[in-house]
Amino acid sequence: AQTVTQSQPEMSVQEAETVTLSCTYDTSESDYYLFWYKQPPSRQMILVIRQEAYKQQNATENRFSVNFQKAAKSFSLKISDSQLGDAAMYFCAYRSAGANSKLTFGKGITLSVRP
Amino acid sequence: GAGVSQSPSNKVTEKGKDVELRCDPISGHTALYWYRQRLGQGLEFLIYFQGNSAPDKSGLPSDRFSAERTGESVSTLTIQRTQQEDSAVYLCASSSGLATETQYFGPGTRLLVL
Repeated sequence: AQTVTQSQPEMSVQEAETVTLSCTYDTSESDYYLFWYKQPPSRQMILVIRQEAYKQQNATENRFSVNFQKAAKSFSLKISDSQLGDAAMYFCAYRSAGANSKLTFGKGITLSVRP
Repeated sequence: GAGVSQSPSNKVTEKGKDVELRCDPISGHTALYWYRQRLGQGLEFLIYFQGNSAPDKSGLPSDRFSAERTGESVSTLTIQRTQQEDSAVYLCASSSGLATETQYFGPGTRLLVL
């Protein structure tokens, strides 16, 4: 079974600075997808970024980028120019490329942004 | 179009009562998922529906939990004889069912069992 580990329960960043959130995973599969979701206090899970395992290029979405290290099974999220609205819980998630595509989540990290 | 919707937003019930939670997926999405999120935890998979295929119930924690879905529309998650440990946020997600799909989540139902 796949597992996702987020070892940092909380992080804080100064507004306009850069922060990196860590995630590692364990799998025996070679083809899969990785995701970062944001969950603000409203509870709505919002997709931040996704990465296909077969792609060597790291995904980027505006101020959000990932460092995907397939051999190390590491998938970190970098948030540049942090904004107050980035404060939320962030979850790393894994999904197999197969037919049953349930997501396996880490425990999440609470990010606070200092003004 | 509209996103995934869930009702009720919050539900308070007494231990031993049955509850029904509802999910309306995005129109046209063939895949529907239920997840549970306990306080301060990540999401745990409960059940997965894909079109007319038999659902994957492998994540249901006990036989008190069941879910139904009619075609590619609304789904209901039923918890019978609720226990205090059932208190959690129950989140529903839907996707297009394609291999490259992204799951889009509803706002969840917060269940509190007293």
